[in-house]
Amino acid sequence: AQSVAQPEDQVNVAEGNPLTVKCTYSVSGNPYLFWYVQYPNRGLQFLLKYITGDNLVKGSYGFEAEFNKSQTSFHLKKPSALVSDSALYFCAVRAGFQKLVFGTGTRLLVSP
Amino acid sequence: GAGVSQSPSNKVTEKGKDVELRCDPISGHTALYWYRQSLGQGLEFLIYFQGNSAPDKSGLPSDRFSAERTGGSVSTLTIQRTQQEDSAVYLCASSLGAGGRITDTQYFGPGTRLTVL
Repeated sequence: AQSVAQPEDQVNVAEGNPLTVKCTYSVSGNPYLFWYVQYPNRGLQFLLKYITGDNLVKGSYGFEAEFNKSQTSFHLKKPSALVSDSALYFCAVRAGFQKLVFGTGTRLLVSP
Repeated sequence: GAGVSQSPSNKVTEKGKDVELRCDPISGHTALYWYRQSLGQGLEFLIYFQGNSAPDKSGLPSDRFSAERTGGSVSTLTIQRTQQEDSAVYLCASSLGAGGRITDTQYFGPGTRLTVL
């Protein structure tokens, strides 16, 4: 079965510093991986996805993610964090046509 | 263009009552999904509609849950005889879905927060 794991419940980073939110995956077949962000009392906003090709995927709001097949990882990164990046981040993998399987989420706190 | 919309944004009901949650997908999207987000269970898939095909109901937690999609657009999720454990945020998403492309991005609505007293 397709699954993703987010090993950190929370990540703390100072504004201006680089940030990384970790995700590892377990799939049979090709991995189709996604990152979403959720702000308080809001739905999920799509950030980026990996389908095939370049291992470095660029997305919205300056975020990028690095796909690493040998480590089965898809970590979310940003070179310089903003306080406004503070939110809940979800990694997900496509499991068939019908659904995404989500990780448990990582709360990112960016301090001024 | 307009995103996925859901109504109501909040719903408080008494245990045992029926509730209906509505989802309007992005125009032109043929695939529609319902998910549930709760503290104990995280984000879990409920049901999937693709065009006029029979829906995939494999994620529905009990027979008290049902959903329909009229005219290939608007969808309604119905929960009968609500229980306290049904309290959660119900999220709807849609994707282009043409040809059932597995790589399509799902775009989510703001959700309906359901509280069962």
